Amino acid sequence: EAQVTQNPRYLITVTGKKLTVTCSQNMNHEYMSWYRQDPGLGLRQIYYSMNVEVTDKGDVPEGYKVSRKEKRNFPLILESPSPNQTSLYFCASSPTDSSYNSPLHFGNGTRLTVT
Amino acid sequence: DAKTTQPPSMDCAEGRAANLPCNHSTISGNEYVYWYRQIHSQGPQYIIHGLKNNETNEMASLIITEDRKSSTLILPHATLRDTAVYYCIAASGTYKYIFGTGTRLKVLA
Repeated sequence: EAQVTQNPRYLITVTGKKLTVTCSQNMNHEYMSWYRQDPGLGLRQIYYSMNVEVTDKGDVPEGYKVSRKEKRNFPLILESPSPNQTSLYFCASSPTDSSYNSPLHFGNGTRLTVT
Repeated sequence: DAKTTQPPSMDCAEGRAANLPCNHSTISGNEYVYWYRQIHSQGPQYIIHGLKNNETNEMASLIITEDRKSSTLILPHATLRDTAVYYCIAASGTYKYIFGTGTRLKVLA
């Protein structure tokens, strides 16, 4: 089944303890992206990657890191989490064709709480 | 990328058509209109997209005005499971998506 898989689904951690949220897709998509969703603010893009070893900042990249060493994986790293990073996180992927009209496929989300 | 404007909420009776409007008056020629929905806190689900022609698939129909400044998503026979937040996006590529706060559609029994 074609899907985007995020792990873990729920995570509670403490301020300053490094964590990684994994994202994997099995559709051979070039493009992958991370979003966070907060009440009243909709989804905001954190980082995106157009292909292996190519990453770029989205609208809210501060406090996050990403890497894209393989096409299928795009982990989100919080080196020193803070309470304002408590949020619902989504990973997404899509093919990048010349017409740029391919839709995004989303994972089921990771709810992160930083205390 | 074009900003979109949607009503914050709408109600629809079960079995009736749900018509969700979206304004994208600054859309440019190479920007598509995409619709997604999010049920509870699940990942957004793609519904449909189009450039200038009306589109229909098994989930919905998309009507885009001739000047492309607005569009309407039509769910022909809404069910309770269609209760969700619906997002309209105008973009020339997935990396340029701007999600607003969408329209919260409530389908009433």
